[in-house]
Amino acid sequence: SAVISQKPSRDICQRGTSLTIQCQVDSQVTMMFWYRQQPGQSLTLIATANQGSEATYESGFVIDKFPISRPNLTFSTLTVSNMSPEDSSIYLCSVAVGARGDTQYFGPGTRLTVL
Amino acid sequence: TQLLEQSPQFLSIQEGENLTVYCNSSSVFSSLQWYRQEPGEGPVLLVTVVTGGEVKKLKRLTFQFGDARKDSSLHITAAQPGDTGLYLCAGEETSGSRLTFGEGTQLTVNP
Repeated sequence: SAVISQKPSRDICQRGTSLTIQCQVDSQVTMMFWYRQQPGQSLTLIATANQGSEATYESGFVIDKFPISRPNLTFSTLTVSNMSPEDSSIYLCSVAVGARGDTQYFGPGTRLTVL
Repeated sequence: TQLLEQSPQFLSIQEGENLTVYCNSSSVFSSLQWYRQEPGEGPVLLVTVVTGGEVKKLKRLTFQFGDARKDSSLHITAAQPGDTGLYLCAGEETSGSRLTFGEGTQLTVNP
């Protein structure tokens, strides 16, 4: 398994500003992911954070809006840029572990409210 | 992207009742995971099933992976209020580690 922490746990931000969310893992992992989740709903994958190269974004998500850094195998950041109320959501990072890399463990999430 | 349909979306039952949650797809998955999530927390992994037809038990929870690896079910026996939460199934796509999540089942077990 893996222990994952996220900072901040929650934040309230003004429209037009940006917020950077940090994700720290207690061990080196190859695969890290960022998800968005509306309260009570399922998870939508934003992007795969690649160490040493640009993140791989899913359809509907772009680097200008959600820039991601992955400086090493234990850390990643997601920035939500030029925020609007529609960006209010829970943002989760996860890591894939195991011999087959098919098991994902999640951080506690960052609850973002944009006014 | 492979799609995964989860049902029911909401379920409210009395303590002691049994229930089953289903995840179905027209696509084959390499593996399938079940998660439980409580408010304010991230999803917590319950089980991973890999082999078609596989059945895994976790106390009162029974997980089954379909023979064709396109569907899965979660059965809870004698539900307890502590089972309340959002249950999510997630299939690992055959193309890699990417997970496709079902829509989730919000379970409420009333005392």
